[in-house]
Amino acid sequence: KNQVEQSPQSLIILEGKNCTLQCNYTVSPFSNLRWYKQDTGRGPVSLTIMTFSENTKSNGRYTATLDADTKQSSLHITASQLSDSASYICVVSARAGANNLFFGTGTRLTVIP
Amino acid sequence: NAGVMQNPRHLVRRRGQEARLRCSPMKGHSHVYWYRQLPEEGLKFMVYLQKENIIDESGMPKERFSAEFPKEGPSILRIQQVVRGDSAAYFCASSPQQGANTGELFFGEGSRLTVL
Repeated sequence: KNQVEQSPQSLIILEGKNCTLQCNYTVSPFSNLRWYKQDTGRGPVSLTIMTFSENTKSNGRYTATLDADTKQSSLHITASQLSDSASYICVVSARAGANNLFFGTGTRLTVIP
Repeated sequence: NAGVMQNPRHLVRRRGQEARLRCSPMKGHSHVYWYRQLPEEGLKFMVYLQKENIIDESGMPKERFSAEFPKEGPSILRIQQVVRGDSAAYFCASSPQQGANTGELFFGEGSRLTVL
């Protein structure tokens, strides 16, 4: 069964600290994995995309990793800012199927001053 | 190039009334997805449509809910005889092609339905 699980469910960190969010998936055959950021009351916005051959990709203070063997991805946020407070959603695409996108339930990050 | 446009942003209905949510995808996008999000919960897939076709409606409740994406005009999610449990944010997303190739969806800002 194709599934995407994220951990932790929620996280509170102090401004300026780093954090890492996890995403484990069982989607097969794998096509790519995206991390989305959803601010409260807004629609999700794509942060990064990871394909099978990519291990690490950075987007500013966000760094995503992918281990296709263990089917795990992480999103590392460096020097957190208050504006990083949001839900971070992991979405995995399969290479087959009419509806081939599988969503995690998200990690709710709160950055406090 | 305008993004995905959803309206209304907020809708209040009494139990038993009908709710119609509209979604205009990004220009050039022919694939539309609808998701429902309850407070403090993740996005739940409802339906995937292409122009004039429903591709996957496995996430749609069997009764009271319907969706369409006509050749001309926006996609519409229709909820008949609303109940309090229908209160949620409904997000529309579009992509230029089937999500498989890139997996990137462009989301609207959502329509928040409140059923009194």
